[in-house]
Amino acid sequence: AQSVTQLDSQVPVFEEAPVELRCNYSSSVSVYLFWYVQYPNQGLQLLLKYLSGSTLVKGINGFEAEFNKSQTSFHLRKPSVHISDTAEYFCAVSLGRYGGSQGNLIFGKGTKLSVKP
Amino acid sequence: DTGVSQDPRHKITKRGQNVTFRCDPISEHNRLYWYRQTLGQGPEFLTYFQNEAQLEKSRLLSDRFSAERPKGSFSTLEIQRTEQGDSAMYLCASSFGRGGTDTQYFGPGTRLTVL
Repeated sequence: AQSVTQLDSQVPVFEEAPVELRCNYSSSVSVYLFWYVQYPNQGLQLLLKYLSGSTLVKGINGFEAEFNKSQTSFHLRKPSVHISDTAEYFCAVSLGRYGGSQGNLIFGKGTKLSVKP
Repeated sequence: DTGVSQDPRHKITKRGQNVTFRCDPISEHNRLYWYRQTLGQGPEFLTYFQNEAQLEKSRLLSDRFSAERPKGSFSTLEIQRTEQGDSAMYLCASSFGRGGTDTQYFGPGTRLTVL
């Protein structure tokens, strides 16, 4: 069965510091990878996704992620965070049509990023 | 594009009552998903529609749950004989495409509390 592990449930960081949120997945078939952000009282919003091609993916708000097939990882990074980045971040995978799925997402448990002044 | 909307945003009910939630997807999105999110967990897939056809259901979707998407537009999720374990945030998402690579756009969710 496919699964997603977010290794840190909470990450506190000071403003303007770099941050890395870790994500590992387990799957016997190829997957598509996503990072979503959830601000308080708002719906999930896509930050970025990896489908194929370059393993470094750039997203919105200055975030980027790198797909590492050998380590089955898709870590999210930002070189300098702002107070407004405080939110919960979810890593997710989709098996796609050839994985026997209709595209539903399998999510990790989330990482709460807390940016302090 | 007004985004995905869900109604109500909050619902408090007593155990044993029936509840119904509504999701209005982004217009012309052919795919609609329902997820459930409990405290400290990521969203978990419940069911999926392509246009009006319900094509996949998770084992999480017990017989007390039913979902519809008449005419391939809005969708409803009904829970019969609610239990305290049904308390969760119910999320709706829509997308356009053939699945897998599509970006799913999420609504704000309906928070259900079963007393």
